[in-house]
Amino acid sequence: DAKTTQPPSMDCAEGRAANLPCNHSTISGNEYVYWYRQIHSQGPQYIIHGLKNNETNEMASLIITEDRKSSTLILPHATLRDTAVYYCIARPSVSMNRDDKIIFGKGTRLHILP
Amino acid sequence: DSGVTQTPKHLITATGQRVTLRCSPRSGDLSVYWYQQSLDQGLQFLIQYYNGEERAKGNILERFSAQQFPDLHSELNLSSLELGDSALYFCASSGPWGVGGYTFGSGTRLTVV
Repeated sequence: DAKTTQPPSMDCAEGRAANLPCNHSTISGNEYVYWYRQIHSQGPQYIIHGLKNNETNEMASLIITEDRKSSTLILPHATLRDTAVYYCIARPSVSMNRDDKIIFGKGTRLHILP
Repeated sequence: DSGVTQTPKHLITATGQRVTLRCSPRSGDLSVYWYQQSLDQGLQFLIQYYNGEERAKGNILERFSAQQFPDLHSELNLSSLELGDSALYFCASSGPWGVGGYTFGSGTRLTVV
């Protein structure tokens, strides 16, 4: 799996858009970008994933650059409940040998400020 | 409710003891993954099972073992417990081929005293 780089922490004001960057300059053509988050002591939660097109769901939007070397997760109207550690992961979506473990890095600790 | 059930939610035990953590995956998911998260530490991958077979192993201690049963539930066995084994243990499941994302359970908090 390609290595990803994220800032260790970020602040965002409540009600504003939170933009979390992720660098994955060594990503290969069959690797998707996945985002998860972990609210304190809870199980991590899947947010969104994409290959090369921008994606949006009820939780967030994912913007992937044309060269696919970086991406941004956007929480459009951050609330205090969005305070969490956000993980960006690059990995194939389909694993032919079914060894498809996810290795989590340190992620970005997002603080939503009231 | 994520669909992944972990029991018990909390466990307090003494050093040297053995415990078993249980995980029931989301209906239809064939893969089960175990992770350990010590206080203020990252998520450490322990082991993966797919349809009853071990598929991937992380830095899992020899004192720890796991298995996945025919009904696809999984158990993580921790023996000769040490204080440093105190942690949150998460189980996750995913569908065939790992398509889409993982679904995590709410974890078992193990305290070794």
